Amino acid sequence: GENVEQHPSTLSVQEGDSAVIKCTYSDSASNYFPWYKQELGKGPQLIIDIRSNVGEKKDQRIAVTLNKTAKHFSLHITETQPEDSAVYFCAASKGSVSGGSYIPTFGRGTSLIVHP
Amino acid sequence: DAGVTQSPTHLIKTRGQQVTLRCSPKSGHDTVSWYQQALGQGPQFIFQYYEEEERQRGNFPDRFSGHQFPNYSSELNVNALLLGDSALYLCASSSRVETEAFFGQGTRLTVV
Repeated sequence: GENVEQHPSTLSVQEGDSAVIKCTYSDSASNYFPWYKQELGKGPQLIIDIRSNVGEKKDQRIAVTLNKTAKHFSLHITETQPEDSAVYFCAASKGSVSGGSYIPTFGRGTSLIVHP
Repeated sequence: DAGVTQSPTHLIKTRGQQVTLRCSPKSGHDTVSWYQQALGQGPQFIFQYYEEEERQRGNFPDRFSGHQFPNYSSELNVNALLLGDSALYLCASSSRVETEAFFGQGTRLTVV
């Protein structure tokens, strides 16, 4: 089955700095890569996703990149703010283009701490 | 829209007992997936229900079973609880025409 490795496990940055979280996956058939943010006492919330036919996607301060050949994908957060502090999970999955059958395999998470 | 709701939020059970957790999906969603999240780990897929049938299953023993009702809500049942079953149980809902899955806040199960 799919195996997703995520690094680092903890990331501490100063407010305003950039943060980068990296993941690798094992199944070359995976074609959908969501990123989730989980705050204390809450369920994971999707913050951005990317499909295998796209190399990069950006949404305001958040961007994701995907290298299918190397089976790497990364999350980039610029101008970090204290409210960005949370646990971030990458995930990889495969399914039909029409959706509905995606079962993401999650990484172990990165605890991001943004110091004011 | 209330989003995905789970009940109860916290639960304490004794080893060997049985537990039932409940999930109401987001309005418009017809697919429910259940995950187990141990402390410090990512969510692990248990199973997915669609049209009241289990469609996919992760690497979990038969002690874990589920059900989906005609209104798309779902239950997760765990029999013969073990200490190792202590975790946050997450429900996620989605639809067959969208990729994004929405998670509930989870049920924290403690087995003593």
